[in-house]
Amino acid sequence: QVQLVQSGAEVRKPGDSVNVSCRASTHNFGGDYVQWVRQAPGRGLQWMGWFHPGSDGATYADDFEGRVTMTMDASSTTFFMEVSSLTSDDTAIFYCATCSSDAYLGCANWGQGTLITVSS
Amino acid sequence: QSALTQPASVSGSPGQSITISCTGTSSDVARYPFVSWYQQHPDKGPKLVIFGVNNRPSGVSNRFSGSKSGNTASLTISGLQAEDEADYYCSSYTRRNTWVFGGGTKLTVL
Repeated sequence: QVQLVQSGAEVRKPGDSVNVSCRASTHNFGGDYVQWVRQAPGRGLQWMGWFHPGSDGATYADDFEGRVTMTMDASSTTFFMEVSSLTSDDTAIFYCATCSSDAYLGCANWGQGTLITVSS
Repeated sequence: QSALTQPASVSGSPGQSITISCTGTSSDVARYPFVSWYQQHPDKGPKLVIFGVNNRPSGVSNRFSGSKSGNTASLTISGLQAEDEADYYCSSYTRRNTWVFGGGTKLTVL
């Protein structure tokens, strides 16, 4: 069971950027992916994109293309998601999760979530 | 990519069965066996309850089952219990190598 620990809550101003980290307890990801999900207050889950450690590449949802960058620091098994040009719509909890190629890419392990507040 | 369509709410009495539908398109739900369902209790993170259309992760009650027909996937919970009251989200892989969630369904146990 992979444990994911995310960075703490942050407050940003409109137009700023924020970098959220997600540290994994394992160094062996095989064919797994790490996805990022946004959940605004009182709203549903929104898929932002995913990172594939095996290929060091990412795919982003259309809604976030050009504004989100997902990366990994292999030495610390930490995943990062940077969101730029923040607006009030980005006030939300951001989750990372691992999605296993052995489980039809179901995402069984989730971080505790990181609250980002965007306010002037 | 438009969100998958789920009913906003469903309800049932303890012991009853309920089914939550999740309607997509030929580019997602109908195309792949990669449909997952997540349970989310208030102020908690999501929990995987079904993967690959109809598979349960270890530790998930066998009262949870999934199915798919064409572009509609379904989650059935039998023998409803108070602890099942939560929001449920479906998710499907798409032909663009992305995923899409449903809008979520609030389950109320009466």
